[in-house]
Amino acid sequence: DGGITQSPKYLFRKEGQNVTLSCEQNLNHDAMYWYRQDPGQGLRLIYYSQIVNDFQKGDIAEGYSVSREKKESFPLTVTSAQKNPTAFYLCASSTEDRATYQETQYFGPGTRLLVL
Amino acid sequence: AQSVSQHNHHVILSEAASLELGCNYSYGGTVNLFWYVQYPGQHLQLLLKYFSGDPLVKGIKGFEAEFIKSKFSFNLRKPSVQWSDTAEYFCAVILSGGYNKLIFGAGTRLAVHP
Repeated sequence: DGGITQSPKYLFRKEGQNVTLSCEQNLNHDAMYWYRQDPGQGLRLIYYSQIVNDFQKGDIAEGYSVSREKKESFPLTVTSAQKNPTAFYLCASSTEDRATYQETQYFGPGTRLLVL
Repeated sequence: AQSVSQHNHHVILSEAASLELGCNYSYGGTVNLFWYVQYPGQHLQLLLKYFSGDPLVKGIKGFEAEFIKSKFSFNLRKPSVQWSDTAEYFCAVILSGGYNKLIFGAGTRLAVHP
């Protein structure tokens, strides 16, 4: 069964604690992304990775870190430096359309993080 | 800064009504355009996309969108909505010349009443 999986579905964090959100894909996609979704604000890009062992900051990278040691995995760590971490986190991966050479992103089910 | 505007934040319709959701972007160059849908409790799913060619794009579940370059718009339409279309709809763009960063609109919540 191909797709993008994210775990856990819900995550509770105490103040001052780091937590790591998992994202795995078996679609053989090169590029992977992390977005944050807040009510009424759409999705905002946190980090992205176009290839293994390389990643770049997005628009709201402060307080987050990532790694890309394997093609199929792109975990996101929400550190204690993130001032307002309560949100819905979405992972995506993308593939290039063979006809147009343009990328299309596909999303996982998301992880909802709540800070206690 | 480049942005995407979805002017309708909440839309309420009765079944069989026609739907049009507005989407405008602010960027003068080439763009790739997308509509995603998020049904309650489900993944964000791709509804349709436009890269080039015919500006009228047909997607899944009877949805279509028209790219009007002169108006910087990519409005989503469906001639007759169903209760099952109740969801949140997001317009997004990728700008040419950069990495594949999706810029999202704030979303439109659609409620369809039977």
